[in-house]
Amino acid sequence: GAVVSQHPSWVICKSGTSVKIECRSLDFQATTMFWYRQFPKQSLMLMATSNEGSKATYEQGVEKDKFLINHASLTLSTLTVTSAHPEDSSFYICSASGQAGRQPQHFGDGTRLSIL
Amino acid sequence: GENVEQHPSTLSVQEGDSAVIKCTYSDSASNYFPWYKQELGKRPQLIIDIRSNVGEKKDQRIAVTLNKTAKHFSLHITETQPEDSAVYFCAATVTGGGNKLTFGTGTQLKVEL
Repeated sequence: GAVVSQHPSWVICKSGTSVKIECRSLDFQATTMFWYRQFPKQSLMLMATSNEGSKATYEQGVEKDKFLINHASLTLSTLTVTSAHPEDSSFYICSASGQAGRQPQHFGDGTRLSIL
Repeated sequence: GENVEQHPSTLSVQEGDSAVIKCTYSDSASNYFPWYKQELGKRPQLIIDIRSNVGEKKDQRIAVTLNKTAKHFSLHITETQPEDSAVYFCAATVTGGGNKLTFGTGTQLKVEL
């Protein structure tokens, strides 16, 4: 149980392209999902908290207009990197938990984004 | 906000030896402390967690200890095997308070034959 699916696993695209990443909870309802960014050999940095049916909460320094988050259902959250540039290249990982305040979080497989 | 420090950043042990990774946290309200193992290019996988109402938890070769007074917790791996080689992250959070995990900086564990 507690499977989180993330798609796509790998994206290579040109600078200026917008990229959408999906995060799905397959066997449980996720009222809360989290989006992280991880640079090589570094830790996971929380970008935003996505709550079903409401606006995402962004961490300080994360541009909300750059990283659009939508959590339209209890099993799906999407992260769209708008007008991506090479500096946006990174490993993006989502995680999901069930009821608010419930642990542990379950992670998706991650998306490796490379902007040329 | 919460700040989690993790040491060491790299750890090399001989197969069969024990490995210990230590973390400290700053927010005394934190009450949930998971440990994740991440292999290169893969997802973090939960290996063990502990809540603030207990001081120690063990699962086969893996154990975690928590000292709430000193605000630190440690991961202990006994009888290490080559497949234990990975990056290990500690994390801390206040459950019910947004549920956000704050991660440590990671420890690259290498188990040598």
